[in-house]
Amino acid sequence: EAQVTQNPRYLITVTGKKLTVTCSQNMNHEYMSWYRQDPGLGLRQIYYSMNVEVTDKGDVPEGYKVSRKEKRNFPLILESPSPNQTSLYFCASRGVNNSPLHFGNGTRLTVT
Amino acid sequence: DAKTTQPTSMDCAEGRAANLPCNHSTISGNEYVYWYRQIHSQGPQYIIHGLKNNETNEMASLIITEDRKSSTLILPHATLRDTAVYYCIVRVPQRAAGNKLTFGGGTRVLVKP
Repeated sequence: EAQVTQNPRYLITVTGKKLTVTCSQNMNHEYMSWYRQDPGLGLRQIYYSMNVEVTDKGDVPEGYKVSRKEKRNFPLILESPSPNQTSLYFCASRGVNNSPLHFGNGTRLTVT
Repeated sequence: DAKTTQPTSMDCAEGRAANLPCNHSTISGNEYVYWYRQIHSQGPQYIIHGLKNNETNEMASLIITEDRKSSTLILPHATLRDTAVYYCIVRVPQRAAGNKLTFGGGTRVLVKP
């Protein structure tokens, strides 16, 4: 089944403790991206990647890192999480041209 | 990307057609209309998209007016599982700047028994 898989689904951590949210897709998509969703602010793009070893900042990249060493994986790294990064995170991928985005099921992160 | 305007919420009776309007009066000639939905805190799900012709797939139909300034998503036989927030998005698919989708507030659809 074609899908975007994120792990974990839920994560509670403390300020400053490094964490990684994994994202993997099995559709051989070149493009992958990360969004966060907050009440009243909608979905905002954090980082995106057009291909392996090609990443770029989205609208809200501060406090986040990403890497794209393989086509299928696009992990989101929080080196020193802070409470304002408490949010619902979505990974997405898509194929070429006007093909639609496929989203993962989300990771709900709480930083205390 | 062109801005879209959707009603904040609407109710629909189970088994009836749900017609969701979207205004995009500033749409440009090469911008597509996309529809996604998000069921409570799940990842947004793609529904359908089109440029100027009406489109239909197994989930829904998309009707785009001739001047392309508005469109309607039609769920032909709404079920309780169609309760979700529906987003209308207008964008140029090949646009390189992040290829991001700008999600507005969407329409909160409640399907009632």
